[in-house]
Amino acid sequence: DSGVTQTPKHLITATGQRVTLRCSPRSGDLSVYWYQQSLDQGLQFLIQYYNGEERAKGNILERFSAQQFPDLHSELNLSSLELGDSALYFCASSARVSGGPYNEQFFGPGTRLTVL
Amino acid sequence: TQLLEQSPQFLSIQEGENLTVYCNSSSVFSSLQWYRQEPGEGPVLLVTVVTGGEVKKLKRLTFQFGDARKDSSLHITAAQPGDTGLYLCAGTPPIIEYSGAGSYQLTFGKGTKLSVIP
Repeated sequence: DSGVTQTPKHLITATGQRVTLRCSPRSGDLSVYWYQQSLDQGLQFLIQYYNGEERAKGNILERFSAQQFPDLHSELNLSSLELGDSALYFCASSARVSGGPYNEQFFGPGTRLTVL
Repeated sequence: TQLLEQSPQFLSIQEGENLTVYCNSSSVFSSLQWYRQEPGEGPVLLVTVVTGGEVKKLKRLTFQFGDARKDSSLHITAAQPGDTGLYLCAGTPPIIEYSGAGSYQLTFGKGTKLSVIP
């Protein structure tokens, strides 16, 4: 158990809908990262938050947004869903915002999103 | 954009055999991490290598970071069915490439899917 929790475990929805994925980082970790994993693209970095502020953006679509709350949990909002958004979405947390090579990230169990 | 190429993509071996998985890039990384992911689960960190030429051992797993810090390998001795999973390498860019906010992201390879047959 990494200490990172994600809900829900599975989510099935229709095209055009909006969903919210939730992540609680390990106790004490201030950085939260969101990743998307699909069969053909591998693990793709979406966005990072540190202590409530956005710190880095990766391949995140404009239809997707995220935020980190004062209690450090984070939510990833996916809107106007398309079939191609079906994937595993992982949240990871780390103690550091940056600071050298030991940015070891701890991953949650993921949310499997299926868009029909 | 820094890319990490992993090879082979798929590997199926018999229990007791040895194997090596490779992670290569044309870019320099300040560190490389290896993760293992089982179906339906998140990646689990195995090791971080930082220094060029560094070798780290974790029981039957041996990790090496290339001298130029552009590549890494994972060697498993006497593989067991419990070693089955997706092995991912992930690199951290050199410090000079960190964004102005002092943040950076891990770049992941696409992984090597290992099956160890009893």
